[in-house]
Amino acid sequence: ETGVTQTPRHLVMGMTNKKSLKCEQHLGHNAMYWYKQSAKKPLELMFVYSLEERVENNSVPSRFSPECPNSSHLFLHLHTLQPEDSALYLCASSQDLIAGHRTTNTGELFFGEGSRLTVL
Amino acid sequence: QKEVEQNSGPLSVPEGAIASLNCTYSDRVSQSFFWYRQYSGKSPELIMSIYSNGDKEDGRFTAQLNKASQYVSLLIRDSQPSDSATYLCAVPSGAGKSTFGDGTTLTVKP
Repeated sequence: ETGVTQTPRHLVMGMTNKKSLKCEQHLGHNAMYWYKQSAKKPLELMFVYSLEERVENNSVPSRFSPECPNSSHLFLHLHTLQPEDSALYLCASSQDLIAGHRTTNTGELFFGEGSRLTVL
Repeated sequence: QKEVEQNSGPLSVPEGAIASLNCTYSDRVSQSFFWYRQYSGKSPELIMSIYSNGDKEDGRFTAQLNKASQYVSLLIRDSQPSDSATYLCAVPSGAGKSTFGDGTTLTVKP
């Protein structure tokens, strides 16, 4: 396994379902991200985990719940989604610079292939 | 004003021509800049990074940065049909955050 892998690649769910997206990175990075990409819109940052701690929650509705059990794995738990949540969900990782208690994002992101979500 | 703006496109160039992609950013303290390429149906892939004013060349790709004008560009020389993709400009803007432009879709016609 190399790079960043995401499963499932495609997911169709009803508004009352609960599902999870999984991401695994094999690059030894210390930061992981969830991005949302909708048609005709720029990439939207959802969540950032650096050293397994959440450092950014970009005003995402509570029906999206992230989980980062270790530096290699990231989950996005989905429940009671809306049709407008249909999009490509991209996981990314990076190697942040660490100085003391501070981490600095280098900006070099490595993306997985994405999970295409359709909410009916 | 958007934090990161790209020329709206789509951009179409003939094979062998130079494709010029432009990006402006609003945060004057930004120090690093990135170009990602995204093929249709695929995820973004980092292709260039630039940190200093001036040009950085990598094969057929040249990134140009002008911090005074808050402007970064990507030139693709000898454009090939395989360069047809959406190009995203990205600027780190805080702890763990990169802001992306809307992207410019490039089509290289044989």
